[in-house]
Amino acid sequence: SQKIEQNSEALNIQEGKTATLTCNYTNYSPAYLQWYRQDPGRGPVFLLLIRENEKEKRKERLKVTFDTTLKQSLFHITASQPADSATYLCALDHSSASKIIFGSGTRLSIRP
Amino acid sequence: GAVVSQHPSRVICKSGTSVKIECRSLDFQATTMFWYRQFPKQSLMLMATSNEGSKATYEQGVEKDKFLINHASLTLSTLTVTSAHPEDSSFYICSARDHRRDPTGELFFGEGSRLTVL
Repeated sequence: SQKIEQNSEALNIQEGKTATLTCNYTNYSPAYLQWYRQDPGRGPVFLLLIRENEKEKRKERLKVTFDTTLKQSLFHITASQPADSATYLCALDHSSASKIIFGSGTRLSIRP
Repeated sequence: GAVVSQHPSRVICKSGTSVKIECRSLDFQATTMFWYRQFPKQSLMLMATSNEGSKATYEQGVEKDKFLINHASLTLSTLTVTSAHPEDSSFYICSARDHRRDPTGELFFGEGSRLTVL
């Protein structure tokens, strides 16, 4: 069956450390993968997109990797801050990019 | 970035009534709009995909007669929950993209509509 799994439901780390979130997928062949941030009661906000032929993408303190052999994407936030606390969702395209399917999300908490 | 406006943000209705949720793209043409549903502490579940001027494509298990989707223009899509029941209570979120401008790009999300059916 097709699955998108994010490593943990919740992750709690110390401010200043690097947060690493994992997204694994099964029985999909996405051309690209996206990461979104969602705050409680709000719609998701786009952060980064990485294509299948890209190994790594960076944006400020964010870094995303994409390994199509392992069927995995890693999402890193360096020098984490309490304001980074939110739920992070990975999403991938399905059926020739006609729709976007989301993972279960990881709730990240950064403690001061 | 592009803006998607969703209205109403919260709605409470009685069981058996119908509720309409609007989703508008304010500064771009949304060739495709997606409707998602999200239960507490769960991820977004895709309900349907709608392309402007054509019928929506519903995901398996989503009743098209219960969740009516209309995408009559490039800036507006509506979701109508017909004969709502308490189990329809959820957070409904729309998203849009301009397929012609960027077929593989980001989705722009509305702020969501929290439906509570009494």
